[in-house]
Order: sequence, then structure tokens, then C-alpha cells
Amino acid sequence: GAVVSQHPSRVICKSGTSVKIECRSLDFQATTMFWYRQFPKQSLMLMATSNEGSKATYEQGVEKDKFLINHASLTLSTLTVTSAHPEDSSFYICSAKEGTLNTEAFFGQGTRLTVV
Amino acid sequence: GQQLNQSPQSMFIQEGEDVSMNCTSSSIFNTWLWYKQDPGEGPVLLIALYKAGELTSNGRLTAQFGITRKDSFLNISASIPSDVGIYFCAGQVGGADGLTFGKGTHLIIQP
Repeated sequence: GAVVSQHPSRVICKSGTSVKIECRSLDFQATTMFWYRQFPKQSLMLMATSNEGSKATYEQGVEKDKFLINHASLTLSTLTVTSAHPEDSSFYICSAKEGTLNTEAFFGQGTRLTVV
Repeated sequence: GQQLNQSPQSMFIQEGEDVSMNCTSSSIFNTWLWYKQDPGEGPVLLIALYKAGELTSNGRLTAQFGITRKDSFLNISASIPSDVGIYFCAGQVGGADGLTFGKGTHLIIQP
């Protein structure tokens, strides 16, 4: 299947700093990319949907000024967690899909963010 | 928002036994998907269902898309040790939409 790569796989940052997570589709052009957050022993929760070249659509309760999403090309989307706090510590996972109709969205391997 | 109720939350079974888990929703989804997630990894798609009533198999896995479009089940036959992990159902309304996930079923296999 297609490959979606996230970087970094793990990151530790100090409270108050910002951290950027990259999501790349390696062998296809991702029309749409999604960002999810997963707290320990819980389910994946959709944070936002981004289409290349346009502003991301955020789910209710997700602060767009805190979680900045950029989808500047068809193979790269970035999520920047600004002014991170310990409660932002979580597993962040992206997925990417080509097209919109009945096409599989492939998931990255996830990024474990720990804010200390 | 939409919620998916997935059960059971966990299962302790013997190797070789069959497994069954299901998801229900209060609202309609037009696509149902089943994923497996290993610790520290992203979820991997097992089966995708696109049509109400559809029954699809992938090796020892069988899943069905409920006729009301509000439920789905996943069966695993003759479980093996590598089946251990967390299984998630997910629903999608439109093809361009993100997924709504169930809370997961943690499958533990005792040798």
C-alpha cells in the first residue's frame, strides 16, 4: 500500500515552546490530509482536515491558533503545536488520501509528543 | 458530534478461538472501516465496507456493513498470537471526510 511518513516519531519539548510535526505522502499525491490526536488508551479523535492550498477545517473544540496546519504541497502537511503545555502531550497521527471517492486514507506511524 | 459505540472493550481468548466485535452508531455512516493498531504505531486498515449489507472477507477476517448503515461487525476466525492488538471501527460520512473512530477493542490471546 501507499506510504505516509511522519517526522519526528518522538519529540520532547519544554512547556511554552512550539513544535512542528511533518506528514509526507511518499508515493502519491495527497489531495486531503487529516490530523488526529490519541490520548493514552483512548481512541483517535479527528482534529482537522486540510486540502492542499486551502485553509484547514478544524473540528469543534480544536483551537486553530494553537494547532497550526499548513498543507502547502500535495505531498506535505505540517502540524505546529504552538505554546505547548503538558496537557498537549499526546500521540498525533496524520492520514493522507488521494481523491475523495472510496479511496483509502493511509495513516502515518504517529508522533509521540511529550511536553515537560 | 457523532459517536461510535464499540464492544467489547477487551477480550481475553485462547489461541484458535473465533473473535467477534461490533460497532453501533446513532447516526448513519456511508463507509465503515476496521483498523488494527499496534502500540506506538498508526492504525492499519483491515477491511473497508462501502455498501449497506456488504459482507467482505480478508483472509481470516470477515466484516459486515449493517443494512441500516448504523452498525458493523468484525469477526476473526481461528485466532493466532499475532492477532493481539487493538481493533478500531471507524465510520465515514462522505468520501472527503475524516473518520469517526470507536473506542477500540483490546484483543489479548492466551496461549
